Amino acid sequence: AQSVTQLGSHVSVSEGALVLLRCNYSSSVPPYLFWYVQYPNQGLQLLLKYTTGATLVKGINGFEAEFKKSETSFHLTKPSAHMSDAAEYFCAVTTNTNAGKSTFGDGTTLTVKP
Amino acid sequence: KAGVTQTPRYLIKTRGQQVTLSCSPISGHRSVSWYQQTPGQGLQFLFEYFSETQRNKGNFPGRFSGRQFSNSRSEMNVSTLELGDSALYLCASSASERVTDTQYFGPGTRLTVL
Repeated sequence: AQSVTQLGSHVSVSEGALVLLRCNYSSSVPPYLFWYVQYPNQGLQLLLKYTTGATLVKGINGFEAEFKKSETSFHLTKPSAHMSDAAEYFCAVTTNTNAGKSTFGDGTTLTVKP
Repeated sequence: KAGVTQTPRYLIKTRGQQVTLSCSPISGHRSVSWYQQTPGQGLQFLFEYFSETQRNKGNFPGRFSGRQFSNSRSEMNVSTLELGDSALYLCASSASERVTDTQYFGPGTRLTVL
């Protein structure tokens, strides 16, 4: 079985401040981890993913995440928030035994204050 | 390349009716997954099809069904609609059967059941 926990349903930061969105996963087999962003009335867009190899993953729009197996975490960061980053962010996990199925966290709504 | 398209974008039905939603994947993509998104339950996996075969199914009642055609287009059907079926239904396509392939999401179909 696999699961994802996103700590903090709402995160608020000032423009230019560090963005940190937390994600912890549970999986009995090696996981593949994803971060998605969803803007209002739109589908999800992939920000980045960890499959194998380098544990620090860089994605689009200046986001990156680090896979830490010992902490079962995959936190998303961005050094400097921009107003356009305001959206809902989802962490997801899948494994080789779950064809086509990703398990999503409950999401974190990011607010960026001017 | 055109993205994933879903039709219709909005739908209003009454309890007891049935509904069919359509998803056209990105050209060349052979895997299609369906998700239900609600404020209370978040994003939940419905089913996944690859080359017209259902490979995985989520924990939804039998009222929810789907299929995939030879051109990879997919439909999902919900029979005997209930108020709780009101949700955003998202379709995602990926190029192959590999679980690490990027899933590209459509904008969703918002279903309202009255």
